[in-house]
Amino acid sequence: SQTIHQWPATLVQPVGSPLSLECTVEGTSNPNLYWYRQAAGRGLQLLFYSVGIGQISSEVPQNLSASRPQDRQFILSSKKLLLSDSGFYLCAWSLAYGYTFGSGTRLTVV
Amino acid sequence: ILNVEQSPQSLHVQEGDSTNFTCSFPSSNFYALHWYRWETAKSPEALFVMTLNGDEKKKGRISATLNTKEGYSYLYIKGSQPEDSATYLCAFYNAGGTSYGKLTFGQGTILTVHP
Repeated sequence: SQTIHQWPATLVQPVGSPLSLECTVEGTSNPNLYWYRQAAGRGLQLLFYSVGIGQISSEVPQNLSASRPQDRQFILSSKKLLLSDSGFYLCAWSLAYGYTFGSGTRLTVV
Repeated sequence: ILNVEQSPQSLHVQEGDSTNFTCSFPSSNFYALHWYRWETAKSPEALFVMTLNGDEKKKGRISATLNTKEGYSYLYIKGSQPEDSATYLCAFYNAGGTSYGKLTFGQGTILTVHP
């Protein structure tokens, strides 16, 4: 069966520090992968999506970047975190139009 | 930019009450409408995927309807229970344009069911 792993579950980071969130998928090949964020009081916003290794599309200009070094691995990064990067980050994968989400990472930038 | 709106933003009901929420979305380039149930610190759980105008889906006490021509979907919960407390998200899957293949989410309706 297909599973998706996302870690860490919570993270508190100082402003200006780097960030790396990882998401891995098992039990499927060549999935579409997504990073979403929910900022306080707002809905889920698509940050990045990837249709294959090394292929990244950015949806909104921001302080973050994404990479897909392997078929089932999707990484969200930042070189220097801002306070506005705080939020709940969700990784998701899809093969058709059904999505499966990871359990999320609560990031607090202090 | 696609606009997916949900109302109300939050809702407080008593145990046993029935309730419903609305999701409105663009009526052009429709492919699918998703409903998710999202509890704090957990993954959003898929409730329904609706694709056809007039679709009605049911899962236990929860049901949903879809009107693609006018661009809205309703989610109903019959006899709410405290364990129904969660954020209910709808998401629009676009058939074309630059949003192809991506879900656009509404802001969610936060439901609190009081015992």
